[in-house]
Amino acid sequence: ETGVTQSPTHLIKTRGQQVTLRCSSQSGHNTVSWYQQALGQGPQFIFQYYREEENGRGNFPPRFSGLQFPNYSSELNVNALELDDSALYLCASSLVGHQNYGYTFGSGTRLTVV
Amino acid sequence: ILNVEQSPQSLHVQEGDSTNFTCSFPSSNFYALHWYRWETAKSPEALFVMTLNGDEKKKGRISATLNTKEGYSYLYIKGSQPEDSATYLCALPLIQGAQKLVFGQGTRLTINP
Repeated sequence: ETGVTQSPTHLIKTRGQQVTLRCSSQSGHNTVSWYQQALGQGPQFIFQYYREEENGRGNFPPRFSGLQFPNYSSELNVNALELDDSALYLCASSLVGHQNYGYTFGSGTRLTVV
Repeated sequence: ILNVEQSPQSLHVQEGDSTNFTCSFPSSNFYALHWYRWETAKSPEALFVMTLNGDEKKKGRISATLNTKEGYSYLYIKGSQPEDSATYLCALPLIQGAQKLVFGQGTRLTINP
């Protein structure tokens, strides 16, 4: 079985630009969550997608949006980038009802906003 | 608001020594506790998911205990090896069955050969 893959691994954007990060969930998993990890902090929940709909959101502004596709892969879009958006973005997948097995994470996308 | 605290923030241990660190959380509305190991440049890897007070789980040289009444979990590593060097994260779901995990800031463990 494949794990969670994220692309790109690194990117640099300019303040005010828009960015799209991508995530392929583990085979058999049907939910995807996105987390932001700023330097020195634990990952912070952004939102979760299930059945192609947002199913829970953390304390992030509307310029953070996402999509889930029929194959359960997902995108995270961030508009009007700010310097504070510089962080590692993690994607995690799981199967509904099997949360007690833990979540499978990707290795993240490192976003730098300059 | 669910506040998850981990201590210490960083730890240096000599190879072969045993070590442990702590995850603290509010004891009310407990649903589950996750431990993850995160090696540099890799993905966080699930170690344990614990749900019952008094739970003790083991995976090789790593074990974890859970006390939901007093709101803490310990992670133990016996006979530390260089490959144990990683950041260890604990996380709790905000509500039952939810994927919204609230993470602690992690304990960064370095094993000195």
